[in-house]
Amino acid sequence: DGGITQSPKYLFRKEGQNVTLSCEQNLNHDAMYWYRQDPGQGLRLIYYSQIVNDFQKGDIAEGYSVSREKKESFPLTVTSAQKNPTAFYLCASRGQFNQPQHFGDGTRLSIL
Amino acid sequence: RKEVEQDPGPFNVPEGATVAFNCTYSNSASQSFFWYRQDCRKEPKLLMSVYSSGNEDGRFTAQLNRASQYISLLIRDSKLSDSATYLCVVTRNNAGNMLTFGGGTRLMVKP
Repeated sequence: DGGITQSPKYLFRKEGQNVTLSCEQNLNHDAMYWYRQDPGQGLRLIYYSQIVNDFQKGDIAEGYSVSREKKESFPLTVTSAQKNPTAFYLCASRGQFNQPQHFGDGTRLSIL
Repeated sequence: RKEVEQDPGPFNVPEGATVAFNCTYSNSASQSFFWYRQDCRKEPKLLMSVYSSGNEDGRFTAQLNRASQYISLLIRDSKLSDSATYLCVVTRNNAGNMLTFGGGTRLMVKP
């Protein structure tokens, strides 16, 4: 089945540690996105990529990094510089312009 | 002012009721509009796109008023399974490549 796969489902980070969240899609979508959602809040854009080897900062990029070496993959690294990383992280992809985005089932990140 | 504003609710309604949610957006360059549904601790899922002429999908009707920058969602004959948070979503620019999400309206349908 076509879709977006995020892993792991749950992740725990120690102080000072970098962690990487995986996002893979087999929808042949060019554009991919990372969002953060805090409890009771809306989604905020971290980074997005419209094409392989190119990505742009979103609204809250500080403390995060991404890469887009393959069309199918858009991993997000939460660095130690992100002081409040506990949140629900959602990856999305989109086909053509003005089409809706479709989401993976998310990764919950917590601090140990 | 937030770019996309929604009443957070919760809206508590009995089964079978009709309920309407409203959403206002501030960016006049927005070209496309969507309603997503998000269940507790799950990812958002597309409910329906919103077209200028208004559109209906079963018990759900969406309306767009560009002049007032206002979007609505009407749910008829509410089911218990409609309980969720409904997110109003608009594109940020003519390219349609970035979305702005409202904070969501929570609906609870009671037996």
